[in-house]
Amino acid sequence: DAKTTQPNSMESNEEEPVHLPCNHSTISGTDYIHWYRQLPSQGPEYVIHGLTSNVNNRMASLAIAEDRKSSTLILHRATLRDAAVYYCILRGANNAGNMLTFGGGTRLMVKP
Amino acid sequence: DTAVSQTPKYLVTQMGNDKSIKCEQNLGHDTMYWYKQDSKKFLKIMFSYNNKELIINETVPNRFSPKSPDKAHLNLHINSLELGDSAVYFCASSQLFNTGELFFGEGSRLTVL
Repeated sequence: DAKTTQPNSMESNEEEPVHLPCNHSTISGTDYIHWYRQLPSQGPEYVIHGLTSNVNNRMASLAIAEDRKSSTLILHRATLRDAAVYYCILRGANNAGNMLTFGGGTRLMVKP
Repeated sequence: DTAVSQTPKYLVTQMGNDKSIKCEQNLGHDTMYWYKQDSKKFLKIMFSYNNKELIINETVPNRFSPKSPDKAHLNLHINSLELGDSAVYFCASSQLFNTGELFFGEGSRLTVL
């Protein structure tokens, strides 16, 4: 699976939108873009995923660049509970065993 | 109802001992995984089982022996524990041929003294 690059950390104010960027310039045409987050002392939690089109769900929105070399996870109104490490992961369609390869992620800090 | 549950949540033991961590999922998934998160917080895949069969073994020492008695369970047994085995171990499950969403347990923190 291709590699992703994310900032080590970001800060946000509570109730403001947060845009978490991810670069994946070597993405292949069949790679899905997945986002997970890990709250303190918990296991990773699925957030959202997409292939080409932007996606929305109850947790977040995923904006995918037209060339698919980057994507942005959007939290519309950050809460203190959103403080976590956010992982952007590429999963190939031929990924053996459906496993996910985690990078360093972005640590999001939310200020009250 | 916890979807993926692991026991124990905490485990403190001496070097050289043998210990097991159990994992159960009630989601009806056919694939289960073990991940290791070390002190630097990197999450690494260790094993993956599909329908009780091993499909991924990521260069893990053979002191680690996963066992899947059925699709809903994947246990991790570790022999001759070493200091470097101290980590948080996460179990996860998914359906193999789906969009790839994995469900993780809350983790088992292993401390080897």
